[in-house]
Amino acid sequence: DAMVIQNPRYQVTQFGKPVTLSCSQTLNHNVMYWYQQKSSQAPKLLFHYYDKDFNNEADTPDNFQSRRPNTSFCFLDIRSPGLGDAAMYLCATSRTGGPREKLFFGSGTQLSVL
Amino acid sequence: QQQVKQSPQSLIVQKGGISIINCAYENTAFDYFPWYQQFPGKGPALLIAIRPDVSEKKEGRFTISFNKSAKQFSLHIMDSQPGDSATYFCAAFVNAGGTSYGKLTFGQGTILTVHP
Repeated sequence: DAMVIQNPRYQVTQFGKPVTLSCSQTLNHNVMYWYQQKSSQAPKLLFHYYDKDFNNEADTPDNFQSRRPNTSFCFLDIRSPGLGDAAMYLCATSRTGGPREKLFFGSGTQLSVL
Repeated sequence: QQQVKQSPQSLIVQKGGISIINCAYENTAFDYFPWYQQFPGKGPALLIAIRPDVSEKKEGRFTISFNKSAKQFSLHIMDSQPGDSATYFCAAFVNAGGTSYGKLTFGQGTILTVHP
């Protein structure tokens, strides 16, 4: 039944070691989002795809990249994780990205950086 | 300009009481205001939402009050239950310029605890 699936649920990486988080959706939604959520803070939008159109937030560090090879999958690549990148990473989808479309979130990947 | 400020950070309510969470924004381009509920270990899920041309929206025990002139909106949970214990985020939607799609900006979140 899960509609937005994130793997893995927990990810541990070493300082500076590249890591990839994955997200898949069964909803056939056009828009996919990546949010970073640190403890007791609001989810912060990193970037989003409208179909294949990539939109980067101005304050997203260059260390963060994303790929969307097809409608169903989206990946978040962290090239050189720092301690400050430890957070919950949430993937979300929206059918059209319009204002009245609700976002469907995955359960997130909790990233730890040692 | 893009921020949504939410208060309080945490809230403790007795079962049956009313929980009230407040949000304020500056950007007048925001044009849709949802509330999301997040349980531990889960992603946020849409709870209720309101358009800026409406002053109040009610769904069951949940009500949003919206004051456009003050740029404030609030969530009221009537007859609060222990199962309502979660983190609540207000949010505001803005269109990406010149497009039909956009993005949500979230408030900082309120951790609600309802004691039995």
